[in-house]
Amino acid sequence: SAVISQKPSRDICQRGTSLTIQCQVDSQVTMMFWYRQQPGQSLTLIATANQGSEATYESGFVIDKFPISRPNLTFSTLTVSNMSPEDSSIYLCSVGTSGSGVQFFGPGTRLTVL
Amino acid sequence: GQNIDQPTEMTATEGAIVQINCTYQTSGFNGLFWYQQHAGEAPTFLSYNVLDGLEEKGRFSSFLSRSKGYSYLLLKELQMKDSASYLCAVNNNAGNMLTFGGGTRLMVKP
Repeated sequence: SAVISQKPSRDICQRGTSLTIQCQVDSQVTMMFWYRQQPGQSLTLIATANQGSEATYESGFVIDKFPISRPNLTFSTLTVSNMSPEDSSIYLCSVGTSGSGVQFFGPGTRLTVL
Repeated sequence: GQNIDQPTEMTATEGAIVQINCTYQTSGFNGLFWYQQHAGEAPTFLSYNVLDGLEEKGRFSSFLSRSKGYSYLLLKELQMKDSASYLCAVNNNAGNMLTFGGGTRLMVKP
């Protein structure tokens, strides 16, 4: 499986600011995804990061709030914009494999908004 | 819509066997996945079923019945380190996206 890293691993931010989370993979992958995991909850898909085109967002998530970049096949960023305490969560990127569709997850970014 | 149900919590004894059930109703199906997630860590892949039947991987086995929309994860010879959340997820074949159940928090006691 691919080695996936995320930066930052954690951050504490002020309300109204924005944070960009980076996801780096050690090999080229077609599919990259961004998830949110709120405290004590399971994973919710935010969007699919498409290389060379706009991300595909799930219901309840919009580009203005969660802009995503995917400049190449090894890297993606997720920005959490105009943050509020409700955005406090763990944000995880994952990479998908063709065929089985198994996804492997990065270590996550723990965000706290004050 | 997508609906994936798992028990919220389970408790079992070290050395015992535990079965974690998952039922699903999804608009499509291209495989069911089980992940383990320890507190504060990312989910790690455990198993994958796309055809009916049992897949065995050491102490962990996973079963699928597509006609019943049902899967279970079987953990044998439980160890304290197996205390974690176990997440059931379905690939509904829409861009290889996974939809996750709420997770089952398993507590293994001595």
